[in-house]
Amino acid sequence: DGGITQSPKYLFRKEGQNVTLSCEQNLNHDAMYWYRQDPGQGLRLIYYSQIVNDFQKGDIAEGYSVSREKKESFPLTVTSAQKNPTAFYLCASSIERNTGELFFGEGSRLTVL
Amino acid sequence: KNEVEQSPQNLTAQEGEFITINCSYSVGISALHWLQQHPGGGIVSLFMLSSGKKKHGRLIATINIQEKHSSLHITASHPRDSAVYICAVRSRGYGNKLVFGAGTILRVKS
Repeated sequence: DGGITQSPKYLFRKEGQNVTLSCEQNLNHDAMYWYRQDPGQGLRLIYYSQIVNDFQKGDIAEGYSVSREKKESFPLTVTSAQKNPTAFYLCASSIERNTGELFFGEGSRLTVL
Repeated sequence: KNEVEQSPQNLTAQEGEFITINCSYSVGISALHWLQQHPGGGIVSLFMLSSGKKKHGRLIATINIQEKHSSLHITASHPRDSAVYICAVRSRGYGNKLVFGAGTILRVKS
């Protein structure tokens, strides 16, 4: 079945460590997105990519980095520079950027110890 | 003031009740999405609409562009409908970027 796979589902990190969250899709979508979800707030856009080897900062990109070397894959690295990384992270995709239906993964919950 | 406001924030209903969740927005939009986030955290798209009304099973979504308001209705609610329902709009002023509401937490008791 087509869909988006995120891993790991739960991740614990010590302060000062970088961690990478995986996002893979087999929907043949060009656009992929990373969102952060905090309690009581709407989803906020971290980074998005319209096409392979291209990505743009979203509203809260500081302390995060991404790559898009393959159409199917859009990993997110949470660096030690992110001041408050404990959150729920969601990856999504759509056929084209800013249009059409969004498809989401199951999310990754990152906790900094 | 947030660009997308949902009400209520929390809703508890008895099984079988008719449920309405509201979404108001303050920006010009090209489309509005209703999403469901289940307790495990994953999100599924329920509706995408730009005018009128859509129905899928027991779910109905309506939108009034002039009033900048949308509603999500659930008929004959069931405990499996318990989830967070999220409204999101594609904002014309931001290049069709999605702007999300904070969500409505729905609990249906049996």
